[in-house]
Amino acid sequence: LQLQESGPGLVKSSETLSLTCTVSGGSISSFRSSDYYWGWIRQPPGKGLQWLGSMSLSGSTYYNPSLKSRLTISVDTSKNQFSLILNSVTAADTAVYYCARQASVTDQARFDSWGQGTLVAVSS
Amino acid sequence: SYEVTQPASLSVSPGQTATITCSGDKLGEKYTCWYQQRPGQSPVLVIYQDYKRPSGIPERFSGSNSGNTATLTISETQAMDEADYYCQAWDSSTVLFGGGTKLTVL
Repeated sequence: LQLQESGPGLVKSSETLSLTCTVSGGSISSFRSSDYYWGWIRQPPGKGLQWLGSMSLSGSTYYNPSLKSRLTISVDTSKNQFSLILNSVTAADTAVYYCARQASVTDQARFDSWGQGTLVAVSS
Repeated sequence: SYEVTQPASLSVSPGQTATITCSGDKLGEKYTCWYQQRPGQSPVLVIYQDYKRPSGIPERFSGSNSGNTATLTISETQAMDEADYYCQAWDSSTVLFGGGTKLTVL
């Protein structure tokens, strides 16, 4: 299974950041929605990992409470993709954004496949 | 809100055992997993459900979790193990990452 992020590398402050993750090596629909979620994690330059949110194919979503008001995650099974939209970005949103497959949505949750990451810079 | 904390850095000599901790209130009652992130690369899952190793992860990597502390142990540490290591837990429908521990092998 391979995941690949795509989207603009530069976004202006106060505008909207949109990223897409394309899954290859298997149909996203082949993974049971009760067992797998599809998520986004980011990493500001030189800093640690921050979970943004995850979504199942059945439409269930979990968002980081600190970003919930600005964040939307969606899945398009016909394109084998899932996407992230982050509104009203600021310089604090500058980071490498990773997409990943999340095994389990319970306390056993872990990310077992990751994309290579894409750097998004927010400019003023 | 729940938090998990890690030491910022750890140094170990080649061939020695590295022990990286992750602390949180009653963390032993939750499952913890661990990721390795080498410079310029994406994180890789090395331990899940406290002690299980994904396919392809060397037996040198082991994990435990009890009380308020989860532990990642790397035995016979090699130069290739030099990386950042992150613990991760789940609480109240939220994924939580520790701040990461930079492991230096020298």
